Amino acid sequence: DAGVIQSPRHEVTEMGQEVTLRCKPISGHNSLFWYRQTMMRGLELLIYFNNNVPIDDSGMPEDRFSAKMPNASFSTLKIQPSEPRDSAVYFCASSRGQSYSNQPQHFGDGTRLSIL
Amino acid sequence: SQQGEEDPQALSIQEGENATMNCSYKTSINNLQWYRQNSGRGLVHLILIRSNEREKHSGRLRVTLDTSKKSSSLLITASRAADTASYFCATDAGGAQKLVFGQGTRLTINP
Repeated sequence: DAGVIQSPRHEVTEMGQEVTLRCKPISGHNSLFWYRQTMMRGLELLIYFNNNVPIDDSGMPEDRFSAKMPNASFSTLKIQPSEPRDSAVYFCASSRGQSYSNQPQHFGDGTRLSIL
Repeated sequence: SQQGEEDPQALSIQEGENATMNCSYKTSINNLQWYRQNSGRGLVHLILIRSNEREKHSGRLRVTLDTSKKSSSLLITASRAADTASYFCATDAGGAQKLVFGQGTRLTINP
């Protein structure tokens, strides 16, 4: 069984550029989560989709961040324009079922984003 | 904050010894999960324990949950170098519509 696949693994770009992170969840999983991990703030949930519908986007830091899930096998997280404080590791995770909490979440290996 | 908090922040032991990590939380929960993160990798789910359970085992892992003390512990027995990683607890923090992760315990197993 293929795990959650994220691309790219590393991204280095200049401030002001648009950044698009991609995620392919595990087939059959209908919940998808985007997280951001930093040393200062730890692991933070940005947005949660269930059956391709955004359920909770309260963690999205500001309007510069947007996420889409056009179908069950693909999601994107976009930052436009990017800023140095967006530098972090971004994780995508997926799980079965509708609940955000009573099923194990399966994480990808993340995208390490550096904004110069 | 309703976040789970792990203790200690860092733990270094010799291979073969047991490692115990603790997690405390502030509000009622429906369940609590433990995850492992190896350097440069994503989190890997270890165990989910429900609020009506007191103990669960998986191989060399033993998790306990004390809802009266709002705390959980993860015990790794007969540690191996491959257990070197960060370990996180995550709770649904009763009412918060998301899993909330603690800051983690960094475990180092010395050969």
